[in-house]
Amino acid sequence: EVELLDSGGDLVQPGGSLRLSCAASGFIFNNYAMSWVRQAPGKGLEWVSGISASGGSTYYADSVKGRFTISRDNSQNTLYLEMNSLRAEDTGVYYCAKDFAQGEIRPFSFDSWGQGTLVTVSS
Amino acid sequence: DIVMTQSPDSLVVSLGERATINCKSSHSLLYRSNNKRYLAWYQQKPGQPPKLLIYWASTRASGVPDRFSGSGSETDFTLTISSLQAEDVAVYYCQQYKSNTYTFGGGTKVEIK
Repeated sequence: EVELLDSGGDLVQPGGSLRLSCAASGFIFNNYAMSWVRQAPGKGLEWVSGISASGGSTYYADSVKGRFTISRDNSQNTLYLEMNSLRAEDTGVYYCAKDFAQGEIRPFSFDSWGQGTLVTVSS
Repeated sequence: DIVMTQSPDSLVVSLGERATINCKSSHSLLYRSNNKRYLAWYQQKPGQPPKLLIYWASTRASGVPDRFSGSGSETDFTLTISSLQAEDVAVYYCQQYKSNTYTFGGGTKVEIK
């Protein structure tokens, strides 16, 4: 059974940094692209960043480009999101998500999701 | 970016009746080279992560009941719940993956009358 355990969310001041992690199990991690998707309180879904199965290609929403860095450690079956220069509008639940298609260079759509980790940016 | 517009924002339907949700894309989601439409549908219940229902616009994900179906052309797509059940109360989102800056629709809340 696929399991994604997101962690690392916290209360942080504007301008601060945070690193999120997602521990994956139940599937061959290095065969699938992965993404981070966030949801502001009471709002809809926003894709944040994605990474290819090998880690060689990364993709970002314009709203986080230059501030966030996605990475993965395929030896540890773990996905990361390094977040810098955090803003109030980055507040929300962050989900890691597994792609449904195997072996693709970029994410497509997401067939397994973590339970989410809450990031609050506030002074 | 490709803009995804869903309608209606909310929908109230009787048990056993049909529910129809629309999603319009600002750009074609059809790749002519493989004749695939790069659109997915998700269901999100309160306090839970989203669940994939449909991908390639009309392919049901594993374990999804056949009362859920997807259809559409290049820019206009529909999610249909043929006979609404109590457990279908949720917010539904469409998502495009034609562009590698992926975008979701604003969501449609489905409730029971």
